[in-house]
Amino acid sequence: DIQMTQFPSTLSASVGDRVTITCRASQSISSWLAWYQQKPGRAPKLLIYRASSLERGAPSRFSGSGSGTEFTLTITSLQPDDFATYYCQQYSSPFTFGPGTKVDIK
Amino acid sequence: QVLLQQSGPGLVKPSQTLSLTCAISGDSVSTTSAGWNWIRQSPSRGLEWLGRTYYRSKTWFHDYATSVKGRITINPDTSKNQFSLQLNSVTPEDTAVYYCARDTGTPDYWGQGTLVTVSS
Repeated sequence: DIQMTQFPSTLSASVGDRVTITCRASQSISSWLAWYQQKPGRAPKLLIYRASSLERGAPSRFSGSGSGTEFTLTITSLQPDDFATYYCQQYSSPFTFGPGTKVDIK
Repeated sequence: QVLLQQSGPGLVKPSQTLSLTCAISGDSVSTTSAGWNWIRQSPSRGLEWLGRTYYRSKTWFHDYATSVKGRITINPDTSKNQFSLQLNSVTPEDTAVYYCARDTGTPDYWGQGTLVTVSS
């Protein structure tokens, strides 16, 4: 099974900050990577698919990059609504999620 | 707009069978362009994909995670446009929030989640 790792596990930031989260796959997954945002008590919400494609309705301050085994999610200017936990997920074979990165208020 | 509505008991006794249903609106369980998944989430295991069913070339296919293979069944119900999860021989380790989700590659629409506790 393909394993996913993420870092950092927790990130403290302020409104307006640029935030970057890294995700690594245990083997190449090409660009079959998605990013999700989850808030307490809610289902995960798809933000990015195919490593860099923005899901319809997701704010343009979210962007994704990478291919193969290393990927990043960037939030260009953190907004109050963005404090949440973020998960990467590979869908090469078939689905595995990372452990999550919690973005909290500094 | 696709909506997935989950139903099923929130408490299951050890060794019994966990059963959940996911009713679909805005899409069809028989579509050839999506799969229908069950995913669970617990503090100890994180987000864990359990399995899916999908319809291609007039045939139903099923994929299951290695961790639950042999205990899990996911079935479509075309008459009600829904799909179900059955997980047999549950233990307290199966306590989690269970989600159904549609994938058109990666999961894009999710149900509301059901907390299932395994306890006597």
